[in-house]
Amino acid sequence: SQTIHQWPATLVQPVGSPLSLECTVEGTSNPNLYWYRQAAGRGLQLLFYSVGIGQISSEVPQNLSASRPQDRQFILSSKKLLLSDSGFYLCAWSAGQSTQYFGPGTRLTVL
Amino acid sequence: QKEVEQNSGPLSVPEGAIASLNCTYSDRGSQSFFWYRQYSGKSPELIMFIYSNGDKEDGRFTAQLNKASQYVSLLIRDSQPSDSATYLCAVNGDSNYQLIWGAGTKLIIKP
Repeated sequence: SQTIHQWPATLVQPVGSPLSLECTVEGTSNPNLYWYRQAAGRGLQLLFYSVGIGQISSEVPQNLSASRPQDRQFILSSKKLLLSDSGFYLCAWSAGQSTQYFGPGTRLTVL
Repeated sequence: QKEVEQNSGPLSVPEGAIASLNCTYSDRGSQSFFWYRQYSGKSPELIMFIYSNGDKEDGRFTAQLNKASQYVSLLIRDSQPSDSATYLCAVNGDSNYQLIWGAGTKLIIKP
């Protein structure tokens, strides 16, 4: 069966610090991968998605970037965090169709 | 711009009753419809999905599509306190890689 991992689970970072969140998927090959952000009490905002190694599509211009160095690894980064970057970051995967499955998420607080 | 709308709630339902959640979508050509459940502080988990060709029942959950009025419903029979959560509706986007998300409806089941 497929599993998806995210780490860290929680993170508290000062404004202006860098960020690196990691997501890995097991039990499937060539998944589509997604990064979402969910602000408190809000819906899901798609940040990036990837259909293959090195292929990244950005949905929202911002100070975040994503990379996919390996087939089942997806990384979300920032060089300098803003207060507005606080939120619940979710990684998801799909097997070429629309059904998406989510990881446990990373709760980021920027102070 | 494709949109999915949900009443934010909270929707309060007595234990044992039927909870009815609705979601409207803007694109008449939408083909796939998804319901996710999200407990507070947790990531969304897939409950069920349906395609434009019919409704689906899975245990206490039934998803129904009304194409003429462009809404999809989730019915939860014999509601339990453990069903208390936010329910997210999603509809396929322009590609198989993307989902358009509603902001979610908070459901509270009162014992």
